[in-house]
Amino acid sequence: DTEVTQTPKHLVMGMTNKKSLKCEQHMGHRAMYWYKQKAKKPPELMFVYSYEKLSINESVPSRFSPECPNSSLLNLHLHALQPEDSALYLCASSQDSGGQSETQYFGPGTRLLVL
Amino acid sequence: GDSVTQMEGPVTLSEEAFLTINCTYTATGYPSLFWYVQYPGEGLQLLLKATKADDKGSNKGFEATYRKETTSFHLEKGSVQVSDSAVYFCALLGQGAQKLVFGQGTRLTINP
Repeated sequence: DTEVTQTPKHLVMGMTNKKSLKCEQHMGHRAMYWYKQKAKKPPELMFVYSYEKLSINESVPSRFSPECPNSSLLNLHLHALQPEDSALYLCASSQDSGGQSETQYFGPGTRLLVL
Repeated sequence: GDSVTQMEGPVTLSEEAFLTINCTYTATGYPSLFWYVQYPGEGLQLLLKATKADDKGSNKGFEATYRKETTSFHLEKGSVQVSDSAVYFCALLGQGAQKLVFGQGTRLTINP
């Protein structure tokens, strides 16, 4: 089973709202990722958690706040977003065993619209 | 730094045509190479992968061979179907790296 689940599927929020995106995997993977994908573009890496610790932050604005409560869950807290933050937010996971081939498995994404 | 270059789309073919989507890469060492597919309104699905030179990845009739001498990982399918219409991303993962490097994506449309 290579399933990564994400909720909600769609989200509309105002610029003053606070919301959270949730990602879950039960494959025993120890690395989890947040990507942002704008229309007709490839995904862009935002954050990487490795063994529940933040290992990569790609200079993402502080209005995006990741959290990894345990090895199966990854959250992305959103606050005071801008309309240009509207995008598809993808979660991914991989084994993180330090091996050569760390295949990343993606979830279906949350489509976010900021008004 | 590492980079991936894909043939620009969109690509439009008739059903049962032969498909090639070119992908070349620049990387140090021995990266792993991937093809992901994104159907309309969905996330990315792993289509196939190869982890070392001369490896051939295959899945659902698609194939790609890791060619280190030409730094290429071209995607091929002998007979495409309407259901193959999607965006295809070539990607690489450097040795010990966690950041996938994506190509720009190729939009494929198959007409009946």
